[in-house]
Amino acid sequence: DIQMTQSPSSLSASVGDRVTITCRASQSISSYLNWYQQKPGKAPKLLIYAASSLQSGVPSRFSGSGSGTDFTLTISSLQPEDFATYYCQQSYSTLRETFGQGTKLEIK
Amino acid sequence: QITLKESGPTLVKPTQTLTLTCTFSGFSLSTSGVGVGWIRQPPGKALEWLALIYWDDDKRYSPSLKSRLTITKDTSKNQVVLTMTNMDPVDTATYYCAHRQKVRVRYYYYYYMDVWGKGTTVTVSS
Repeated sequence: DIQMTQSPSSLSASVGDRVTITCRASQSISSYLNWYQQKPGKAPKLLIYAASSLQSGVPSRFSGSGSGTDFTLTISSLQPEDFATYYCQQSYSTLRETFGQGTKLEIK
Repeated sequence: QITLKESGPTLVKPTQTLTLTCTFSGFSLSTSGVGVGWIRQPPGKALEWLALIYWDDDKRYSPSLKSRLTITKDTSKNQVVLTMTNMDPVDTATYYCAHRQKVRVRYYYYYYMDVWGKGTTVTVSS
């Protein structure tokens, strides 16, 4: 079973800040890594797939990088609507496509 | 435009069986590469992947819940049904279904949940 570990678990930042969230897989998953954003009471929204491909309609301030076991999600200049919880998910093992535990991004 | 909607009981008793239906539109579950997945989220906790069914009726289950889960599809009705037996209060959660997409990037195929339903909240209590 592939475990996904995100860091930090929570993060405080200000509008305009550059923010990086990290996701680590317990074994190599190549580039089979997706990132989702979830706001309270809402369903998750896909941001990034295949580690670095931006989903259609997602602002370009979001970017993803990494391969193997270490991945990052970067928001280049935080906007008020970006305060949410972010999850990574591996789709390498189709036996079980596990999610990370989430990173809550809060306003400083 | 792809849409999905979850439906089912909001309250179940311990030991009962939960049956959830995902009704979708905008795609066909008979199209090669397409799948529908179920994911849940207990209050205040992280997302948990539960099960997935593919266009060819291949099925995948979370190993920790496999003995309790069954996923089926009715292509003519555009529905996917998830059943979970022996419900327990720890199964209290919001249950989501999602469209699973397969896409080619450079030389490889990748998979992701690109459209989600709004979710349905299930409480397990006597």
